[in-house]
Amino acid sequence: AQSVAQPEDQVNVAEGNPLTVKCTYSVSGNPYLFWYVQYPNRGLQFLLKYITGDNLVKGSYGFEAEFNKSQTSFHLKKPSALVSDSALYFCAVRGSNSGNTPLVFGKGTRLSVIA
Amino acid sequence: DSGVTQTPKHLITATGQRVTLRCSPRSGDLSVYWYQQSLDQGLQFLIQYYNGEERAKGNILERFSAQQFPDLHSELNLSSLELGDSALYFCASSPSPGDPETQYFGPGTRLLVL
Repeated sequence: AQSVAQPEDQVNVAEGNPLTVKCTYSVSGNPYLFWYVQYPNRGLQFLLKYITGDNLVKGSYGFEAEFNKSQTSFHLKKPSALVSDSALYFCAVRGSNSGNTPLVFGKGTRLSVIA
Repeated sequence: DSGVTQTPKHLITATGQRVTLRCSPRSGDLSVYWYQQSLDQGLQFLIQYYNGEERAKGNILERFSAQQFPDLHSELNLSSLELGDSALYFCASSPSPGDPETQYFGPGTRLLVL
């Protein structure tokens, strides 16, 4: 079975400071990892994904994520947070051996960037 | 704009009623997914279709059903509605189900059951 955990319901960070939103996973086979963002009253927007290759993945809006196989983690990071980054962030995973099973989403982490 | 459209944006109905939610995937995408998002349950996968065929089933109630039509649009039918069915319903599409393709989400339909 595949699963994903976002251990923090809420992350608060001051504008201009670096931010990290945590994600850990469990899958069969190699992981395919995704981050999505949801702004209020909007659908989920794709930020970035890791399939293979470089462990550091760069995505939209200055976000990046680091794949760590030994720690089974895929934390989302940004060097300098903006107030406009305040939103709900979802990590999702699918395993290469999972057949037709689609993505499994975490429960989401609400990011609040304070001016 | 993801290219995925959903109608209607909002829906208010009464318990016991039946509603139909519609989704048009991005041009060229063959796979459609339906999700339910509620405050207490998070984002729950309901069902997936690929080129008209059911591909995967998640936590979809028996009162709910879906289909994908030859033009690839999809409909989610919710019947015998209960208060607890009030939620945001999202549709997503992707080119292929077997590859780790990105899913692109529509803006959602907000359902309120009174």
